[in-house]
Amino acid sequence: AQSVTQPDIHITVSEGASLELRCNYSYGATPYLFWYVQSPGQGLQLLLKYFSGDTLVQGIKGFEAEFKRSQSSFNLRKPSVHWSDAAEYFCAVGGEYGNKLVFGAGTILRVKS
Amino acid sequence: EAGVAQSPRYKIIEKRQSVAFWCNPISGHATLYWYQQILGQGPKLLIQFQNNGVVDDSQLPKDRFSAERLKGVDSTLKIQPAKLEDSAVYLCASSLEGPRGSRAYEQYFGPGTRLTVT
Repeated sequence: AQSVTQPDIHITVSEGASLELRCNYSYGATPYLFWYVQSPGQGLQLLLKYFSGDTLVQGIKGFEAEFKRSQSSFNLRKPSVHWSDAAEYFCAVGGEYGNKLVFGAGTILRVKS
Repeated sequence: EAGVAQSPRYKIIEKRQSVAFWCNPISGHATLYWYQQILGQGPKLLIQFQNNGVVDDSQLPKDRFSAERLKGVDSTLKIQPAKLEDSAVYLCASSLEGPRGSRAYEQYFGPGTRLTVT
């Protein structure tokens, strides 16, 4: 069965600093991988997705993620964080058959000025 | 383009009472999903509809939860009777394609309904 681990519950970074959020997945076949962001009181917004091809994917709001099959990871990065990036971030994995998403527990990002 | 609409946004009920949530997906989206998000956890899929048929309800507690999408458009999720552990945010999402379509994973989420059971 699919599963996702986000090791960091909370992360605090200074505005302008770089960011990396970790995600490890478990899935027997080729995974479909996603990062979503959720602001307080809001639904989830898709940041980026990986289906196949180039392992470095670009998303909205200046985010990128790199798929590393050997490490079963799909870490999210941003070179310079803005205060508006403070939110909760969820990594998710989808199977090749069907489109059921399994989400990690999320990482809460705090940005300090 | 209007997003996924959900109502109500907040609901407080006592245990053993009933409650219903409504969702209107993005126009033209064939697939509709209901997720449960308990505080401190990621969303968990409860049920998935393709038009008005159920594709996956394996994680829906069928003794107390029910959902319908009668005309293949909007949907209602009901809990009867509610338990304390049902306190959560209930998210509705929709996507263009059905199962096995890559764009099916591009799910658009509504703002959710926050349920508190006391």
